[in-house]
Amino acid sequence: KQEVTQIPAALSVPEGENLVLNCSFTDSAIYNLQWFRQDPGKGLTSLLLIQSSQREQTSGRLNASLDKSSGRSTLYIAASQPGDSATYLCAVHDYGQNFVFGPGTRLSVLP
Amino acid sequence: NAGVTQTPKFQVLKTGQSMTLQCAQDMNHEYMSWYRQDPGMGLRLIHYSVGAGITDQGEVPNGYNVSRSTTEDFPLRLLSAAPSQTSVYFCASSFPGQTHEQFFGPGTRLTVL
Repeated sequence: KQEVTQIPAALSVPEGENLVLNCSFTDSAIYNLQWFRQDPGKGLTSLLLIQSSQREQTSGRLNASLDKSSGRSTLYIAASQPGDSATYLCAVHDYGQNFVFGPGTRLSVLP
Repeated sequence: NAGVTQTPKFQVLKTGQSMTLQCAQDMNHEYMSWYRQDPGMGLRLIHYSVGAGITDQGEVPNGYNVSRSTTEDFPLRLLSAAPSQTSVYFCASSFPGQTHEQFFGPGTRLTVL
């Protein structure tokens, strides 16, 4: 059974810092991996999706990488801003039509 | 496009009552799913559908029923609500023929007393 973990559970950084969020999964047979952002009391907003054949994806200040062989993905946020404060979730899509989510990393960017 | 819509936004039920959470999408997505999100448990898949007339169980299906009569709609039914079903419910959709990127609705916050 696929299991997804995220480290750290919570992170607090001063504005302007570059930071890395980590996502690990136990079964490397995945179709894709998706990173989401969730603001308090809100739904999930898709940030980046990496197909299993890809190594990384970039969108603005965000860069996500994928290493299937080691079961890891990282989300890099450059020059963090207070507006980046949210919970970040990764989700792995396996070939059984299932999406398995990690517990999330709660990020606070202090002005 | 409205994307994925969910109604109601909030609902309070008494134990034993029934209700239907509505989910609709206007992106012609074949794949639709329901999740529940609980503190400390993350998002867990309840039921999913790969197309009209086809549904299957996810990780936590007990106490919930679904049907998919059209591509656009995927309602979730609670037949006899229990306090353990107090949660936030999210509906999502994606198009399997492409990247299978998931799009989520805004959620329904359900409290069962």
